[in-house]
Amino acid sequence: GENVEQHPSTLSVQEGDSAVIKCTYSDSASNYFPWYKQELGKRPQLIIDIRSNVGEKKDQRIAVTLNKTAKHFSLHITETQPEDSAVYFCAASRRGGYQKVTFGIGTKLQVIP
Amino acid sequence: DGGITQSPKYLFRKEGQNVTLSCEQNLNHDAMYWYRQDPGQGLRLIYYSQIVNDFQKGDIAEGYSVSREKKESFPLTVTSAQKNPTAFYLCASSIEGNTQYFGPGTRLTVL
Repeated sequence: GENVEQHPSTLSVQEGDSAVIKCTYSDSASNYFPWYKQELGKRPQLIIDIRSNVGEKKDQRIAVTLNKTAKHFSLHITETQPEDSAVYFCAASRRGGYQKVTFGIGTKLQVIP
Repeated sequence: DGGITQSPKYLFRKEGQNVTLSCEQNLNHDAMYWYRQDPGQGLRLIYYSQIVNDFQKGDIAEGYSVSREKKESFPLTVTSAQKNPTAFYLCASSIEGNTQYFGPGTRLTVL
């Protein structure tokens, strides 16, 4: 089955700096990679996703990159703000039908004002 | 997200008791999922269902049971066979294409 590794487990950055979270996956057939943000005590919410036919996707201050050859993908947050503080999860799955989604263990991001 | 509800928000269980967690969605999603969240372990899949009257075990199904009698509902029962049930339980649903929408969660504590 799929195995997703995520690091770092915790990350502290100064407000305005960039944050990068990295994930690797094991199943070469995986082709859908979502990222979720979970604020304390709340539900995870999708913030961005990427499919295997593209190498990069941006949405305002958030970007995700994918390297299928190396089987890794990363989340980049620029100009971080205190409200970016949360736990971020990466995930991987095969596309098509209703596939299992395998999650990483999460990264707790703290943005220091 | 507002189309997925879970109840109760907090649940306390005594040793040896079975308890049932509710999950309802009005998003007309075919697939529904149950995850368990423990500190430092991310989201682990308990059970998932792709269509009514069908479901599959996830990675940590032991001690849990589910049913899917209606498209909108996917209740999870935590049985007495689950030795360490204290955790945060999240239900999710999806349309084809894998994006999952989560409910607000139920925090279960064993007394």
